[in-house]
Amino acid sequence: GIQVEQSPPDLILQEGANSTLRCNFSDSVNNLQWFHQNPWGQLINLFYIPSGTKQNGRLSATTVATERYSLLYISSSQTTDSGVYFCAVGDTGRRALTFGSGTRLQVQP
Amino acid sequence: KAGVTQTPRYLIKTRGQQVTLSCSPISGHRSVSWYQQTPGQGLQFLFEYFSETQRNKGNFPGRFSGRQFSNSRSEMNVSTLELGDSALYLCASSLGDSNGYTFGSGTRLTVV
Repeated sequence: GIQVEQSPPDLILQEGANSTLRCNFSDSVNNLQWFHQNPWGQLINLFYIPSGTKQNGRLSATTVATERYSLLYISSSQTTDSGVYFCAVGDTGRRALTFGSGTRLQVQP
Repeated sequence: KAGVTQTPRYLIKTRGQQVTLSCSPISGHRSVSWYQQTPGQGLQFLFEYFSETQRNKGNFPGRFSGRQFSNSRSEMNVSTLELGDSALYLCASSLGDSNGYTFGSGTRLTVV
């Protein structure tokens, strides 16, 4: 099956700093999503982005499907951005998401 | 628009018992998937249902089963619980194959 690798595994930032999270995947995908898992466990959908670039406030994401990677940018980070960020991909026909191991982000005041 | 609703939020069961978890998808979403999250294995796919039919199943033993009703609500059942079944169980719904998934808040199951 598809392999998904996220980097870095852990990230500590000062409030106001910018960061880039990376997701590499091993095969063609028809679905790629970025999620933020809150302290209560819920996965909050940030972007559905199998290709191209999207922006939502301080967050933006880019997926280069031909090179099998996606990037999540967080600008002017806030303490509320802390948590685990997951990249998940789906391949054609399987109708299931394969998750990476996540990036644990801690934003310090 | 209501999100994906999972009940109960927390559950404590004894080894050997069985448990049923419930998931109500977003209105209009006919695809419902289940995932297990543990510290050791991360997030793993259990199964996916569409129009009451299981279309795909992950690599889990037969003790894990599920079903979907005509109103798209889904249940998953775990029989003969083991300590290793302690996990966060997440349900997701989707409008279709070319759309993203929306997850519920999860059910945290503890097996003692």
